[in-house]
Amino acid sequence: SQKIEQNSEALNIQEGKTATLTCNYTNYSPAYLQWYRQDPGRGPVFLLLIRENEKEKRKERLKVTFDTTLKQSLFHITASQPADSATYLCALPRLDQAGTALIFGKGTTLSVSS
Amino acid sequence: EPEVTQTPSHQVTQMGQEVILRCVPISNHLYFYWYRQILGQKVEFLVSFYNNEISEKSEIFDDQFSVERPDGSNFTLKIRSTKLEDSAMYFCASSGQGARGETQYFGPGTRLLVL
Repeated sequence: SQKIEQNSEALNIQEGKTATLTCNYTNYSPAYLQWYRQDPGRGPVFLLLIRENEKEKRKERLKVTFDTTLKQSLFHITASQPADSATYLCALPRLDQAGTALIFGKGTTLSVSS
Repeated sequence: EPEVTQTPSHQVTQMGQEVILRCVPISNHLYFYWYRQILGQKVEFLVSFYNNEISEKSEIFDDQFSVERPDGSNFTLKIRSTKLEDSAMYFCASSGQGARGETQYFGPGTRLLVL
């Protein structure tokens, strides 16, 4: 079955630095990958989508890469701020050829200190 | 900005009791989802719903679970006979057309505690 791993459970960085989070997956070839942000006790909030034919996507201070050969996505937050502190979830389609439901990684909790 | 709403925010119930969790998806959305998150664990897909029928379900979504769209605005998840392991945060989500990769908008969740 599909497996998603977000390698770090926690990442602590200083304000202004770039945070890099990793998502690895195995056992299938997803057509796209999404990143969500989750604050404690709240629902996930969509951040970015990248499709299998895209290498990189940017949105303001966020950048996502998608390497289908390595089966890996990297999520970068540049010029990080304390307000970026949250858990970031990688999500892929549950079925690689059909369906819209998502499976999520366990997340990486980012703490940005000032 | 439109948002998904869920009620109640918290629900405490006794094992074996039935619970109904309610969601109001974003008004022009067509695809609806239920996910759950056990404390400290990952968000898990339960079921998706489109055009008044289930379109996908996971192995978690067994006969104890059911979903319904009783009217034009509400979307409900019923757990027939709750177990201790059903304790979790339950999230409803909706998306516009259900296109692959389309953004899913999540509600704030219902925290269910089964005693």
